[in-house]
Amino acid sequence: GQSLEQPSEVTAVEGAIVQINCTYQTSGFYGLSWYQQHDGGAPTFLSYNALDGLEETGRFSSFLSRSDSYGYLLLQELQMKDSASYFCAVTVTTDSWGKLQFGAGTQVVVTP
Amino acid sequence: EAQVTQNPRYLITVTGKKLTVTCSQNMNHEYMSWYRQDPGLGLRQIYYSMNVEVTDKGDVPEGYKVSRKEKRNFPLILESPSPNQTSLYFCASSETRTSGRPDTQYFGPGTRLTVL
Repeated sequence: GQSLEQPSEVTAVEGAIVQINCTYQTSGFYGLSWYQQHDGGAPTFLSYNALDGLEETGRFSSFLSRSDSYGYLLLQELQMKDSASYFCAVTVTTDSWGKLQFGAGTQVVVTP
Repeated sequence: EAQVTQNPRYLITVTGKKLTVTCSQNMNHEYMSWYRQDPGLGLRQIYYSMNVEVTDKGDVPEGYKVSRKEKRNFPLILESPSPNQTSLYFCASSETRTSGRPDTQYFGPGTRLTVL
């Protein structure tokens, strides 16, 4: 079957660094994305990796290792506004097109 | 303003009463999809559409129907809702990459559905 695993919750203090790991088992892997969702809100896109390596976008970085079926999202210089749920999602190819599968999400709690 | 809109935002209904949740995007995106979000399960794709008149099942399509008669609209239809369809529903749209695979998903604000 296909699955994505990520931790359910991470707690850290302001200014700290948090790494959210995501491991996946899927056929037809095409790329790994990360989305942020605040309580009551819609998910918003953070980052995408199709190739191995690190992608940096401001305080957030995302990493992918296709050979290990593993990726992570790194949140640096944590701020209170970073308290949210973070989802990894794999894009998988189907016979003709592609679809997305999301992990269950990681709740990040930032404390003062 | 580029956006995905959904209506209604909140809906309480009873078992068996057909309903439609509308979704519209103004970004001229080819790819549109519907997700449901349940606690502890993340977002699960219900149906997706690559373009007008082209739709396919996601991971949890049972009990749902969709249609894509216009590029901007992608309604979700529950012919006979049941309590296990109580959930938070998101519509999303995206461009497609040169490979035809979906790009960054832009989500609507969500529709909270309760089926009694």
